[in-house]
Amino acid sequence: GAGVSQTPSNKVTEKGKYVELRCDPISGHTALYWYRQSLGQGPEFLIYFQGTGAADDSGLPNDRFFAVRPEGSVSTLKIQRTERGDSAVYLCASSLNPRGDYEQYFGPGTRLTVT
Amino acid sequence: AQSVTQPDIHITVSEGASLELRCNYSYGATPYLFWYVQSPGQGLQLLLKYFSGDTLVQGIKGFEAEFKRSQSSFNLRKPSVHWSDAAEYFCAVGSSNYQLIWGAGTKLIIKP
Repeated sequence: GAGVSQTPSNKVTEKGKYVELRCDPISGHTALYWYRQSLGQGPEFLIYFQGTGAADDSGLPNDRFFAVRPEGSVSTLKIQRTERGDSAVYLCASSLNPRGDYEQYFGPGTRLTVT
Repeated sequence: AQSVTQPDIHITVSEGASLELRCNYSYGATPYLFWYVQSPGQGLQLLLKYFSGDTLVQGIKGFEAEFKRSQSSFNLRKPSVHWSDAAEYFCAVGSSNYQLIWGAGTKLIIKP
């Protein structure tokens, strides 16, 4: 079946602009996660959704970052007033259950470059 | 604090040779342990996981890992690597909730 998809695969934007990154999880997966991965690092947790609600947004670095999942399926990560330090690969994952023993399935990521 | 250490940033191995990638963790409770692989342009793919029971776990693509509680380690092994194994490998530790703590990764380079 279809895996987790993310669009766009690459995004180049100018400093100060607004960007939206989209994640389409595996059908039926209630848990959705956003991570950020910088070069040479492992994924860094940003936010976790259970259904439509953000159950944990403690990883969002500041209030320029916001994410929604209005219908409990597709999610959008929104970044306002982008800065060069936001450049990274943004990963989305979904799982059938948020418990730690359920596998998280990852999308290919969106590479964001802020110039 | 919870942490995962992958001490090797890069490892170079000849094709057909054996491989061991190291992972050490610091975690207060009994951990769930994972190895993921990331190929260029691909998403992270789960290789194997350990939750309980037999401390030697088998995964996909011929990989295995051994949980050693006394050493707080979960090293990944493969008896004979193939050129297609060239990728970045990440160790992660989790608990009963969704939070995963990730290592910084080890890049595997295969020499022909």
